[in-house]
Amino acid sequence: QQPVQSPQAVILREGEDAVINCSSSKALYSVHWYRQKHGEAPVFLMILLKGGEQKGHEKISASFNEKKQQSSLYLTASQLSYSGTYFCGTAGGDDKIIFGKGTRLHILP
Amino acid sequence: DAGVTQSPTHLIKTRGQQVTLRCSPKSGHDTVSWYQQALGQGPQFIFQYYEEEERQRGNFPDRFSGHQFPNYSSELNVNALLLGDSALYLCASSLKGRGGGPRNEQFFGPGTRLTVL
Repeated sequence: QQPVQSPQAVILREGEDAVINCSSSKALYSVHWYRQKHGEAPVFLMILLKGGEQKGHEKISASFNEKKQQSSLYLTASQLSYSGTYFCGTAGGDDKIIFGKGTRLHILP
Repeated sequence: DAGVTQSPTHLIKTRGQQVTLRCSPKSGHDTVSWYQQALGQGPQFIFQYYEEEERQRGNFPDRFSGHQFPNYSSELNVNALLLGDSALYLCASSLKGRGGGPRNEQFFGPGTRLTVL
């Protein structure tokens, strides 16, 4: 089942904060966050694993609520370079990563 | 390190034809996953190859097949092309982790833009 992301789109001014949410209807082993800019490949941001382990970029923070099967990505003091579409991908006990439809983020100067 | 490379970058085919897309993984990676990304949508998982075998498969018909070679590179083949197969095809490589589920980051290639007329 495809995870549900919210909001679908958000517009911020540079320096503002944003939260992107990802929710799944099935038990999760891991949550994967990627950012894709127009015409480019998705770029890895963070993995959150069941049990609390996290791997990712220092400037990115995220949470994973295993019981609720939800994850949130926190973007603080946003910069123009943060613009793009953010995808969460979820995985159960197999190696399939199922991506959501994405959240479009636009940062205004 | 060249990262993940894919070829060709663009391809135009007509309905009914067959196509082969190629992917070379990032150095040190042993697992290749293929995704289809329609315009404005998230990547959809097609299948994953590890140790030259298809390990996982998404909801795609048998017209979609693949292969992994001993050097870990991979091919995606699509037969009897339909208009709906027009999309960006992404290859992602990773290192197989121990235990259930994907534990390591995937690196995506730039993709192959397939247009079916």
